[in-house]
Amino acid sequence: DIQMTQSPSSVSASVGDRVTITCRASQGISSWLAWYQQKPGKAPNLLIYAASGLQNGVPSRFSGSGSGTDFTLTISSLQPEDFATYYCQQANSFPLTFGGGTKVEIK
Amino acid sequence: QVQLVQSGAEVKKPGNSVKISCKASGYTFTRYYIHWVRQAPGQGLEWMGIINPSGGTTSYAQKFQGRVTMTGDTSTSTVFMELSSLRSDDTAVYYCLSGSTSLYYFDYWGQGTLVTVSS
Repeated sequence: DIQMTQSPSSVSASVGDRVTITCRASQGISSWLAWYQQKPGKAPNLLIYAASGLQNGVPSRFSGSGSGTDFTLTISSLQPEDFATYYCQQANSFPLTFGGGTKVEIK
Repeated sequence: QVQLVQSGAEVKKPGNSVKISCKASGYTFTRYYIHWVRQAPGQGLEWMGIINPSGGTTSYAQKFQGRVTMTGDTSTSTVFMELSSLRSDDTAVYYCLSGSTSLYYFDYWGQGTLVTVSS
């Protein structure tokens, strides 16, 4: 199975800050990576697909980059509604696997 | 609009089975594969398997092989996930989900079904 490792596990930030979350795959997955945002008590919401594709309706302050084993999700200017937990997911092969999550908290 | 609506919360005893439904609407049922993912309290996401509603072919994560069964009913546009030999560590929210443009990226999620396993 492909292991997905996210860092940091949590980050404290203020509104307007730039936030970067990283995700590392245990083996190369090309660009087969998605990012999700999850708020408490809700299902995850797709933000980024194919490593850098912005899902319809997602604000442009979210961006994704990377390929192979190293990936990044960037929030360019954190907004109050962005405080949530973020997960990466590899889509290269079964079983699909997720990172452990990064909680973005209010500083 | 596309909707995946799941059945309600369940409380089960260890050793029992649970069967959760996921009713699809807003699109042709056989168009999108359905996946199941679970999330234990305070934990991350764990992929369980996939079903092709057209034909019923499945693929399960090895961890759940022998304990999970996914089926579909085209007459009601519903897929089912049954998990047997329940243990306390099966306590989780179970989600059905699907992707409209890709088999592997999920833009449609059910609301989740909490399964509590407790004696």
